[in-house]
Amino acid sequence: EAQVTQNPRYLITVTGKKLTVTCSQNMNHEYMSWYRQDPGLGLRQIYYSMNVEVTDKGDVPEGYKVSRKEKRNFPLILESPSPNQTSLYFCASSLGVGRASNQPQHFGDGTRLSIL
Amino acid sequence: LAKTTQPISMDSYEGQEVNITCSHNNIATNDYITWYQQFPSQGPRFIIQGYKTKVTNEVASLFIPADRKSSTLSLPRVSLSDTAVYYCLVGAGDSNYQLIWGAGTKLIIKP
Repeated sequence: EAQVTQNPRYLITVTGKKLTVTCSQNMNHEYMSWYRQDPGLGLRQIYYSMNVEVTDKGDVPEGYKVSRKEKRNFPLILESPSPNQTSLYFCASSLGVGRASNQPQHFGDGTRLSIL
Repeated sequence: LAKTTQPISMDSYEGQEVNITCSHNNIATNDYITWYQQFPSQGPRFIIQGYKTKVTNEVASLFIPADRKSSTLSLPRVSLSDTAVYYCLVGAGDSNYQLIWGAGTKLIIKP
C-alpha cells in the first residue's frame, strides 16, 4: 500500500531535549516536505527536499533541521525544542517531476508534538 | 510572491451544491491549482487539480476563469461526511519547489 509513515504519532517532551520525527515513503517519490499546522494558520511549509541531499527552507524553518540521505526518508530534527514548536506536524511526498505544486501531495497521518 | 485567499468558513445543508472560491492573484503561468480536503487529526487528501476552464472528477468540479486569478471548487449534493477543511494550493512564484497553501475553508454541512 502506498503510504507516508510518520513516527511518533504523539510526543510530549521538555524544552531543550533534542528530538527527531521520522518520515518514510514507499512510493519512490523525489519530493518530500514538512509542514506544521496551528489553529487558524493552516499549513505552513517548514522544509522541503527535491531529491537526495537537496533540501531548502520553506516559510517557517527557524528551529528545525532536516536531512535527506536516502530517497525514502526525510526526518525532521528539533535540536533544542521550545514551547512555540508545539504543533501538529505533517510530512508529505510527491512525484517531484516538474513543478512541485502540480504534483498531488501524499500526506502522513501527522505527529502531535507538545513541548513543555 | 503568490498568495491565496479563501473564506474562513461556510455552512450548507445536505443535498445542496457547495462552491468554495480561492483567490490567487499572482499565480505563475506554469502553475496548476490543486484542492485538498482535511478531516480533523488527518493529513490533507487530494481532491482535484486543474489549469484552466473546468475539470470534473467523481467527487468535485473545479472552475478556473480565463485570467486564472481565482478558482472555485464545487461539491455537488454534499453530505454530512463532506464536513471538513478545504485548502487550495499553488506554487510560490519563481520557485519550482516551494508551496503556498491557503488558510483553508472550514465547511460545515448540516442535516
